[in-house]
Amino acid sequence: DGGITQSPKYLFRKEGQNVTLSCEQNLNHDAMYWYRQDPGQGLRLIYYSQIVNDFQKGDIAEGYSVSREKKESFPLTVTSAQKNPTAFYLCASRNRGLLSMNTEAFFGQGTRLTVV
Amino acid sequence: AQSVTQPDIHITVSEGASLELRCNYSYGATPYLFWYVQSPGQGLQLLLKYFSGDTLVQGIKGFEAEFKRSQSSFNLRKPSVHWSDAAEYFCAVGLNTGFQKLVFGTGTRLLVSP
Repeated sequence: DGGITQSPKYLFRKEGQNVTLSCEQNLNHDAMYWYRQDPGQGLRLIYYSQIVNDFQKGDIAEGYSVSREKKESFPLTVTSAQKNPTAFYLCASRNRGLLSMNTEAFFGQGTRLTVV
Repeated sequence: AQSVTQPDIHITVSEGASLELRCNYSYGATPYLFWYVQSPGQGLQLLLKYFSGDTLVQGIKGFEAEFKRSQSSFNLRKPSVHWSDAAEYFCAVGLNTGFQKLVFGTGTRLLVSP
């Protein structure tokens, strides 16, 4: 089945450590996104990528980094510079075809990161 | 700045009763509108979307939404709620900023009482 796989589902990090969240999709989508979800704040965009080897900062990129070496993969690293990393992280992808304005985003099941 | 407002943080509805979740957006151009649903600890699933044409759109699970340009609204409705509809619902606007950024509302948590 096609879809987006995020791993791990739960992740615990000690303060001062970097951690990497995995996002893989087999939908052949060009665009991929990382969102952060906090209670009462909806989803906020961290980074996005429209094509391989290209990515752009979203609204809350500070303390995060990404790479897009393969079309299928868009890992997110939460660095020690992120002051409040405990949150639920969602990865999404979307088709950027000719009708790119008309296609919805598909989401993974999320990773819950907790700093201990 | 573009924004999406979901004024109700929580809504409780009796099973079998009708439901309406409100969504208002602020965006100068023609919006691309979406409703997503999220079960606890899960990702988001698309319920329905509006791009153009008929302003009443049908979605999955018996949901529908109506786009009203004059009110900048895209309210979600269901005529008879089931206990399995209890979840969090997000309204989103697709912006034409070169890659179609999605701006989300803060969500409405639906509780269904027996």
